[in-house]
Amino acid sequence: QVTLKESGPVLVKPTETLTLTCTVSGFSLSNARMGVSWIRQPPGKALEWLAHIFSNDEKSYSTSLKSRLTISKDTSKSQVVLTMTNMDPVDTATYYCARIGAGGEADYWGQGTLVTVSS
Amino acid sequence: QAVLTQPSSLSASPGASASLTCTLRSGINVGTYRIYWYQQKPGSPPQYLLRYKSDSDKQQGSGVPSRFSGSKDASANAGILLISGLQSEDEADYYCMIWHSSALVFGGGTKLTVL
Repeated sequence: QVTLKESGPVLVKPTETLTLTCTVSGFSLSNARMGVSWIRQPPGKALEWLAHIFSNDEKSYSTSLKSRLTISKDTSKSQVVLTMTNMDPVDTATYYCARIGAGGEADYWGQGTLVTVSS
Repeated sequence: QAVLTQPSSLSASPGASASLTCTLRSGINVGTYRIYWYQQKPGSPPQYLLRYKSDSDKQQGSGVPSRFSGSKDASANAGILLISGLQSEDEADYYCMIWHSSALVFGGGTKLTVL
């Protein structure tokens, strides 16, 4: 059974750095042709992709947020970590991690974690 | 101009069919892309429905009913999610997605109302 679970702070202050962890089970982060993406959704708004890490450790980032994002993984811990620097209230959103399957589909999603940016 | 454009809302009656479109930006040829579709209900994460590139390259998500299907309209440069036999439980937000230049891109979503 494939599951993903996001964890991290629920509240961060403006200018702080956000660190989110996605803990996966039911598959290995070293599985070929699979990866994990981070996607966010501001309240009442659309989905926005942030970053992706492939099984071979190759990384891909949203062009508009690239300078603020870092994605990494610890295969032994089955965890994918996303850091986002210089947080702003507009970054308030539910942050999801999702498995990307061999066909490119985001086939499994975590429940999401709501992060609020406020002083 | 956004890479993927979806109508913001659509209404349809129970038992009818609904066709949700996802139009690719000019210069991005729909024929070369797999289009992925997701359903999201309030308070829940998106659920993968299906992907469609062609009749020979398509995939139904696990447990997704066959009344959800994908297609394309090449003349409109658009992907289409067709939902037949609409049920009240189909009322949700629907998002399309593609991989473009090694990045995931989502459409703005369509809110489907079944009434």
